[in-house]
Amino acid sequence: SQQGEEDPQALSIQEGENATMNCSYKTSINNLQWYRQNSGRGLVHLILIRSNEREKHSGRLRVTLDTSKKSSSLLITASRAADTASYFCATDANDYKLSFGAGTTVTVRA
Amino acid sequence: KAGVTQTPRYLIKTRGQQVTLSCSPISGHRSVSWYQQTPGQGLQFLFEYFSETQRNKGNFPGRFSGRQFSNSRSEMNVSTLELGDSALYLCASSVDRSYTGELFFGEGSRLTVL
Repeated sequence: SQQGEEDPQALSIQEGENATMNCSYKTSINNLQWYRQNSGRGLVHLILIRSNEREKHSGRLRVTLDTSKKSSSLLITASRAADTASYFCATDANDYKLSFGAGTTVTVRA
Repeated sequence: KAGVTQTPRYLIKTRGQQVTLSCSPISGHRSVSWYQQTPGQGLQFLFEYFSETQRNKGNFPGRFSGRQFSNSRSEMNVSTLELGDSALYLCASSVDRSYTGELFFGEGSRLTVL
């Protein structure tokens, strides 16, 4: 079973708009990570936020973490066609594995 | 620096056969993890190895096994294949720490069982 639940399952936006996706998880975590996957290929790490951090930025990405609500959000600003992909949150509970959510499929329309 | 290399990239097997998948981690990475990805179950953790020791194992039947060699390369084996084993098998490596940091994934081995 998966640790995380992501919302929405799919998202379609216009180029230049922002995309926001949410992740909820069940257990205490060490850190939470976001990954991107293009069409059945390998996953690419985007950003890691530790349990004692509340917000983190990387380029056009902004991640928030609320450990009291066991939830995180990923914001992609000024989206581009190249951002079309599936996005996964993954949690580390200090047990040598990541537990992945079901993913959000983002389509950016030109 | 070369990335994580998985071989073969694609393979087709029939029910009852067995398969071995190989993974070469990034140089200097000592931790190797395996994940199974299917449309129905998503990304499921299979196992994690460090210095030839399995540190964690996912909830898969005993038909799924793995190992890591002294050069950190890893293999996983699935015996008595079933149709439901059709999936993308992803290997990932990382620098060993006390917690799981960033994982570097290979492109995967896509297994089709007929």
